[in-house]
Amino acid sequence: AAGVIQSPRHLIKEKRETATLKCYPIPRHDTVYWYQQGPGQDPQFLISFYEKMQSDKGSIPDRFSAQQFSDYHSELNMSSLELGDSALYFCASTSGYEQYFGPGTRLTVT
Amino acid sequence: AQTVTQSQPEMSVQEAETVTLSCTYDTSENNYYLFWYKQPPSRQMILVIRQEAYKQQNATENRFSVNFQKAAKSFSLKISDSQLGDTAMYFCAFMNLAPHPSSGDKLTFGTGTRLAVRP
Repeated sequence: AAGVIQSPRHLIKEKRETATLKCYPIPRHDTVYWYQQGPGQDPQFLISFYEKMQSDKGSIPDRFSAQQFSDYHSELNMSSLELGDSALYFCASTSGYEQYFGPGTRLTVT
Repeated sequence: AQTVTQSQPEMSVQEAETVTLSCTYDTSENNYYLFWYKQPPSRQMILVIRQEAYKQQNATENRFSVNFQKAAKSFSLKISDSQLGDTAMYFCAFMNLAPHPSSGDKLTFGTGTRLAVRP
């Protein structure tokens, strides 16, 4: 069965650089969520989209923005990166109540 | 706001034995879902089991079952016949129900329980 695809899987950036993370949901899933998991922490909700519209917003810094495109894939844009942004970024998709997670993008900011 | 508490940071179980992971939550809502997710060393988040709050019957998925006590706001996970592949971090998660199924209900996670299965 098709799963959620995230790219890239690993990303190394320097402070003050920008990064773009991509998420391709499971086919026919219309809702995408982004979560951030810091080292040794639980995942924290950032933002979600339903039918290409932002549906909810969590603790997402103003330096981050995201959108969902007509083909339902989503991109998380991160600017002015800080050391504290180093984390595992998950995308999850759903067409109902069960969220299926992608493998994550590991972002390291040096 | 909802909170999810997992009071056991680490647990250990002998292979083939049974182990129970605890989870409590706090909410003023009446309609919600509860989940257990497994995160093995690969860091992939894998859905283990879900429970709808309106259902009295406890959910079961093969060796995994839950004990859902709505009044006590408790949602424990029982793993029977533990296997080495069950070694992972386990997260309890809460999701409030929105009027529409896909209107952006985020998951609120507990801090996790690290389970080690000993051979």
